[in-house]
Amino acid sequence: DGGITQSPKYLFRKEGQNVTLSCEQNLNHDAMYWYRQDPGQGLRLIYYSQIVNDFQKGDIAEGYSVSREKKESFPLTVTSAQKNPTAFYLCASSIFSNQPQHFGDGTRLSIL
Amino acid sequence: KQEVTQIPAALSVPEGENLVLNCSFTDSAIYNLQWFRQDPGKGLTSLLLIQSSQREQTSGRLNASLDKSSGRSTLYIAASQPGDSATYLCAGSIYNNAGNMLTFGGGTRLMVKP
Repeated sequence: DGGITQSPKYLFRKEGQNVTLSCEQNLNHDAMYWYRQDPGQGLRLIYYSQIVNDFQKGDIAEGYSVSREKKESFPLTVTSAQKNPTAFYLCASSIFSNQPQHFGDGTRLSIL
Repeated sequence: KQEVTQIPAALSVPEGENLVLNCSFTDSAIYNLQWFRQDPGKGLTSLLLIQSSQREQTSGRLNASLDKSSGRSTLYIAASQPGDSATYLCAGSIYNNAGNMLTFGGGTRLMVKP
């Protein structure tokens, strides 16, 4: 089955630690996105990538970093510079950047 | 910058009732409008997508409309069922050189009581 896989489902971060969230898709989509969702709120765009080896900052990129070395993978690193990382993180992809986005099941990040 | 607002934030209805969820957006140069469903702790499932040239889309008991001039979209759910309980999010899309950027509303949390 084609889809988007996010792992892990739950992640805990210690103070001063960087953590990496995985997002893999086998839909052969060019564009991939990372969103953050806080309780009771909509999604906010962190980073997006329209094509391999290219990515752009979204609305709330500070404290985060990404890479896009392979078409199917778009990992997100939450760095120690992100002072309020507790949130639900969602990854999405679309065949092209102007097509509907498909979402993974998310990773919930908490602080220890 | 596009802003998207959803009212109400929460809604509780008895089973069988028809209901309307509202979404408003500030930029009429919208490329498309998408409605999503989100179950607790899960990702988003796309329900309906309305292109800017369209007025409405239907899928089963769901009907979504788009009025660009007034900056509004509605999601109509007919004969609601307990299984419809979820959070419903709308997202407006602006297409520019950066691609298809979605701006999300805060969502409406729907509970359908048996």
